[in-house]
Amino acid sequence: AQKITQTQPGMFVQEKEAVTLDCTYDTSDQSYGLFWYKQPSSGEMIFLIYQGSYDEQNATEGRYSLNFQKARKSTNLVISASQLGDSAMYFCARRNTGFQKLVFGTGTRLLVSP
Amino acid sequence: KAGVTQTPRYLIKTRGQQVTLSCSPISGHRSVSWYQQTPGQGLQFLFEYFSETQRNKGNFPGRFSGRQFSNSRSEMNVSTLELGDSALYLCASSLDQGIEQYFGPGTRLTVT
Repeated sequence: AQKITQTQPGMFVQEKEAVTLDCTYDTSDQSYGLFWYKQPSSGEMIFLIYQGSYDEQNATEGRYSLNFQKARKSTNLVISASQLGDSAMYFCARRNTGFQKLVFGTGTRLLVSP
Repeated sequence: KAGVTQTPRYLIKTRGQQVTLSCSPISGHRSVSWYQQTPGQGLQFLFEYFSETQRNKGNFPGRFSGRQFSNSRSEMNVSTLELGDSALYLCASSLDQGIEQYFGPGTRLTVT
């Protein structure tokens, strides 16, 4: 199985600090997409950011950015200037090009303290 | 634009019963995917429907089935419920080949 690994079950950060959430993936495919989703306690999955395997630049979306290292098969999420509302579960996911099926990691619970 | 809606939001069923969950995608989205989320197994893909056809299927027993209607609304059915089917069932819709999948709030199913 082509696995997604998130090694940090939980992370703690103080408000206004930056935090990096790790994600590595296993794939033999050349064309794929990498995603990060946020899941608050309400349960809904919120799309944060996307990186295509052929994208040469790291993706950025507001306070979210990716540190994409294709050779290492890693795509770490950086959240700058953390806010209390960032407290949630964060999931990394991969999808092969041409398919809608997302393969998710086990998630990282982020807690932002005042 | 209205988001993805799922009904019901909460459901309690008894072992052996069957259940049907509904998902209405964002207007214009023809792809609907279903996921099961449990504490033990995490988020797992169930199936994807596009234009009323199942396009992809995850590794779940035949008790799990789905369908999609001509208006893109989708239903999933679980027959002969087991305790292990207790989970949050999430539905996501997207444009065909679209990058982003938009998730609904989920249906929390409890099997007793």
